[in-house]
Amino acid sequence: GQQLNQSPQSMFIQEGEDVSMNCTSSSIFNTWLWYKQDPGEGPVLLIALYKAGELTSNGRLTAQFGITRKDSFLNISASIPSDVGIYFCAGRSYNTDKLIFGTGTRLQVFP
Amino acid sequence: DTEVTQTPKHLVMGMTNKKSLKCEQHMGHRAMYWYKQKAKKPPELMFVYSYEKLSINESVPSRFSPECPNSSLLNLHLHALQPEDSALYLCASSQDQGGIETQYFGPGTRLLVL
Repeated sequence: GQQLNQSPQSMFIQEGEDVSMNCTSSSIFNTWLWYKQDPGEGPVLLIALYKAGELTSNGRLTAQFGITRKDSFLNISASIPSDVGIYFCAGRSYNTDKLIFGTGTRLQVFP
Repeated sequence: DTEVTQTPKHLVMGMTNKKSLKCEQHMGHRAMYWYKQKAKKPPELMFVYSYEKLSINESVPSRFSPECPNSSLLNLHLHALQPEDSALYLCASSQDQGGIETQYFGPGTRLLVL
């Protein structure tokens, strides 16, 4: 099925560093969602974005809905070991009722 | 409360077995979803129920049969599965289908078909 371009594919960082990842789409979305998934568990919603240009924070996480409606960014500040996991973006466009998922960013944090 | 529960957590079945996966939410959500997820891949949509009626079937083989007995429950009946059907099966729910609704996922059922 259709997937969003998400980058980077993986990141290996040291504890305390900041992290940035993004998703881009060829079509316009009206909702962007960011999820984190631990191995063998379901995705957990981190941040939901509903308006172009919107910037939303959840603790050390900040996400933005791109002004073009075709991209979104997630930043994690001062990473800690429990940030390890796979991060998925997901978007919903105006002409479909389905969520389209990004390919995922695998984050490893070293102490 | 944004909890979606799924049972069982793990399931091993043979290719001739019949089993069912269960999903439950008590958030008053009217849309419920089944996804299949292979390792290191994003979730793939299988079925969508909206107001207890099947609204989307993503060309899923008939050996997977969804059922929505009421607005809080969603089942996935499995019969004559193949080893390649082994995956994490995720249930999700949202307030309604379409619009700008946010989907909340359950913890998943890890299925192994032998």
